[in-house]
Amino acid sequence: QTVVTQEPSVSVSPGGTVTLTCGLSSASVSTGNYPSWYQQGPGQSPRTLIYNTNSRSSGVPDRFSGSMLGNKAALTITGAQADDESDYYCVLYTSRSWVFGGGTKLTVL
Amino acid sequence: EVQLVESGGGLVQPGGSLRLSCAASGFTFSTYWMSWVRQAPGKGLEWVANIDPTGNGKYYVDSVKGRFTVSRDNAKSSLYLQMNSLRAEDTAVYYCVRIPYVSGWYWFDPWGQGTLVTVSS
Repeated sequence: QTVVTQEPSVSVSPGGTVTLTCGLSSASVSTGNYPSWYQQGPGQSPRTLIYNTNSRSSGVPDRFSGSMLGNKAALTITGAQADDESDYYCVLYTSRSWVFGGGTKLTVL
Repeated sequence: EVQLVESGGGLVQPGGSLRLSCAASGFTFSTYWMSWVRQAPGKGLEWVANIDPTGNGKYYVDSVKGRFTVSRDNAKSSLYLQMNSLRAEDTAVYYCVRIPYVSGWYWFDPWGQGTLVTVSS
């Protein structure tokens, strides 16, 4: 069974930079896994942040960026703001199915 | 504006059935893959099912195979999820999601507001 790994929780200071990662339990992440990233605030539906590894969805601030970092996909927030405090999910396509990571709870403090 | 509006959630007993609907607007529904994604209370997101634009290609997470059926009516711009033999672990908010395809890339966008399914006696 494929497992997509994310840090359970991460904290960042206001104005700081933080990188969240998205990996596969049994392989390296590649562009063929179509990695994308989503932000979900409390009681809200997920919002698309990044697709195509590093393409920002419409309306997403440029402090959010995506990349490949070693064998993982990565989401970097540069100049974190208080309202970036949310849950962040990545999703990967593998073996003809989509698998979400367990999510990263980002705290800005 | 692209909109996805789910309906049909509610309380159902274990072993029961429920049919979710998703009304799409603001885009050419018949040209997009569509998906259902769920989120159990306090838990993460879980992909449930995809359906191709024609309705002929359907894919499911292993845990719902044989119990759930995804379908669509392109004339009505609507997506459906028929859920049978429901279990307590199916309790979740179910999101209807569009899957854009550009230059060989797929992703999930946008997401509906979700409909809550509670399986309990």
